[in-house]
Amino acid sequence: ILNVEQSPQSLHVQEGDSTNFTCSFPSSNFYALHWYRWETAKSPEALFVMTLNGDEKKKGRISATLNTKEGYSYLYIKGSQPEDSATYLCASWDSGNTPLVFGKGTRLSVIA
Amino acid sequence: DAGVTQSPTHLIKTRGQHVTLRCSPISGHKSVSWYQQVLGQGPQFIFQYYEKEERGRGNFPDRFSARQFPNYSSELNVNALLLGDSALYLCASSLWVESNQPQHFGDGTRLSIL
Repeated sequence: ILNVEQSPQSLHVQEGDSTNFTCSFPSSNFYALHWYRWETAKSPEALFVMTLNGDEKKKGRISATLNTKEGYSYLYIKGSQPEDSATYLCASWDSGNTPLVFGKGTRLSVIA
Repeated sequence: DAGVTQSPTHLIKTRGQHVTLRCSPISGHKSVSWYQQVLGQGPQFIFQYYEKEERGRGNFPDRFSARQFPNYSSELNVNALLLGDSALYLCASSLWVESNQPQHFGDGTRLSIL
């Protein structure tokens, strides 16, 4: 069974701070790595889908990198704002019968 | 364009009953997936359907079943409800079934079992 780990479990940062968190996944049979942002009382929103080793993606102040050989992805948020407060989920897709396996998420709280 | 819509938003059932949850995907999306999310955990995959055929099944008992209709909407059925089935059930749609397709989630159905 594919196991996706995220760290840290939760994070509190001051407004304006930059932060990053980690997603680790089995590197064998890798197909794709997804990042989602899940704000309270809303539905999860897709941020990035990455498939190639060395991929880097950026959306505004948020960026992500992918290392498929060692099985990890980093999500970076530059100059955190209160509206960035959310749970950030990563999910890995391997060649097995279960398409997307999610980690437990990193809960980010940005304090104004 | 409307996003993924799920109904009902909340539901309270008792043990032993059955439940049907409904999902309408984004227009043009042919793949629908169902996930169960319990507090403190990430969403856990239950089923994926594409063009009305089951394309994936997670590690859930046979009490869980689903289907996809010709208009690509989907139903998730759970029989003989247990207390442990209390969770948020999320539906997600995507254009196709390939791994590089982002999932577009609905707001979920909160199911409580008494």
